[in-house]
Amino acid sequence: AQSVTQLGSHVSVSEGALVLLRCNYSSSVPPYLFWYVQYPNQGLQLLLKYTSAATLVKGINGFEAEFKKSETSFHLTKPSAHMSDAAEYFCAVSVKAAGNKLTFGGGTRVLVKP
Amino acid sequence: EPEVTQTPSHQVTQMGQEVILRCVPISNHLYFYWYRQILGQKVEFLVSFYNNEISEKSEIFDDQFSVERPDGSNFTLKIRSTKLEDSAMYFCASSEMDPGASYTFGSGTRLTIV
Repeated sequence: AQSVTQLGSHVSVSEGALVLLRCNYSSSVPPYLFWYVQYPNQGLQLLLKYTSAATLVKGINGFEAEFKKSETSFHLTKPSAHMSDAAEYFCAVSVKAAGNKLTFGGGTRVLVKP
Repeated sequence: EPEVTQTPSHQVTQMGQEVILRCVPISNHLYFYWYRQILGQKVEFLVSFYNNEISEKSEIFDDQFSVERPDGSNFTLKIRSTKLEDSAMYFCASSEMDPGASYTFGSGTRLTIV
C-alpha cells in the first residue's frame, strides 16, 4: 500500500520568502504524485502533478515540485510567498491500478506573515 | 472549466437519521469517488465507483454507507443511522480513466451530526 508523509503540520513564512513544503512517499510501484491546495471553506484544487514525465513539475500560482526517486520525495516550492498563498497544502499519491485511489498526507498549513 | 457540484453545502442531521449527499461529476469522467475529512485530520478515501459498481472501498466504508448513480448525472452517498463521528466534510471527486489522471474535487458538504 502507498503512504505519504508531510513533514511539518504548520509552516510560517514571510511574504516574499521561499516556500518549501516537504513530502515523502512510500510505494512499491512507480507512483503518481500530486499537490493539492485547500483554501478556507473550499474544496481541493490541483496545484501540480507528476506522472513519470519530467521530474521537475511546474504548477499554478508559481509553484513547482521535483520528483526525486532516490529520496522518495516530492517537495513543493515557491520562490516568493504571497499573502494569497495562505492555505492548507496536501501531498497525495496514487498508483496505476483500478480506481486510481488517492492517498493523502496529513497536510501542511501555511501562514504568510507580512 | 468543468466543475464537480455537491449539494447541500451544509447539512445538519440528528443522530440515527439517514442522510444523502449528492454530487454531479464532470460528464465525461468515468471514475467517481467519495472522500471525507474530519475536522483537523487528513483527507481519507471512502470509495471509488466505476462502470456502475464499486471498484474499491476503504475499511471506513462499512454497511452504514452506500453509493449510487441513480441516473446519468448524479452520484450519491447515503449514510444510514448516522453517528456523531460521521461529522466531517465529505468531498466528491471524478477523474478520467487514464492512470495518474487528475481528480476534480467538489467544494464539499459539511455534515454535522447532532
